[in-house]
Amino acid sequence: GAGVSQSPSNKVTEKGKDVELRCDPISGHTALYWYRQSLGQGLEFLIYFQGNSAPDKSGLPSDRFSAERTGGSVSTLTIQRTQQEDSAVYLCASSQGTGPGETQYFGPGTRLLVL
Amino acid sequence: EDKVVQSPLSLVVHEGDTVTLNCSYEVTNFRSLLWYKQEKKAPTFLFMLTSSGIEKKSGRLSSILDKKELFSILNITATQTGDSAIYLCAPRSGTSYGKLTFGQGTILTVHP
Repeated sequence: GAGVSQSPSNKVTEKGKDVELRCDPISGHTALYWYRQSLGQGLEFLIYFQGNSAPDKSGLPSDRFSAERTGGSVSTLTIQRTQQEDSAVYLCASSQGTGPGETQYFGPGTRLLVL
Repeated sequence: EDKVVQSPLSLVVHEGDTVTLNCSYEVTNFRSLLWYKQEKKAPTFLFMLTSSGIEKKSGRLSSILDKKELFSILNITATQTGDSAIYLCAPRSGTSYGKLTFGQGTILTVHP
């Protein structure tokens, strides 16, 4: 597609439920990143994919968070047993590669609210 | 641990004013620094800086990097209400496949 797309745009869930957030990167981009932005905070790195593998998962805050990428394209971030502190905007970005000259392009994000 | 500090945290100006936003950083194996503008949810790319002392310009916006002193500045001249946004700087480390470490951002508000 023309840009990075994410769905849903907004998600309201109850504490304890599982949620899945989807990211569709720019066509042909091999690198995909997930970030989280809590209210009034900068973006916090969660996980990075190169193709279908995730060489860096260091930002995932707990084992309730997981992500996968299939076909080198779409990625899904899953949060199990959601907690109120998971409420944030989840942003996905993609880039053509990972060289120093590469730019990451962001999607519109999913705003998650855990009640 | 990589660190990024942006200042000021917020700034209120009137149209026509010039603003300077600051970003200081400490990252392992620095490769480049990116500036983004965030108006609603999606940060949009402004500049990427890799070399010290070379100014990048785009219209009324310009940015420069100092790799010795570990900072970058973003200048906006003749500000307009449409410049109101959060400005994020993000240095890139060479140790983790291009992961960006974001500062907390500067909230710029431009009044008519």
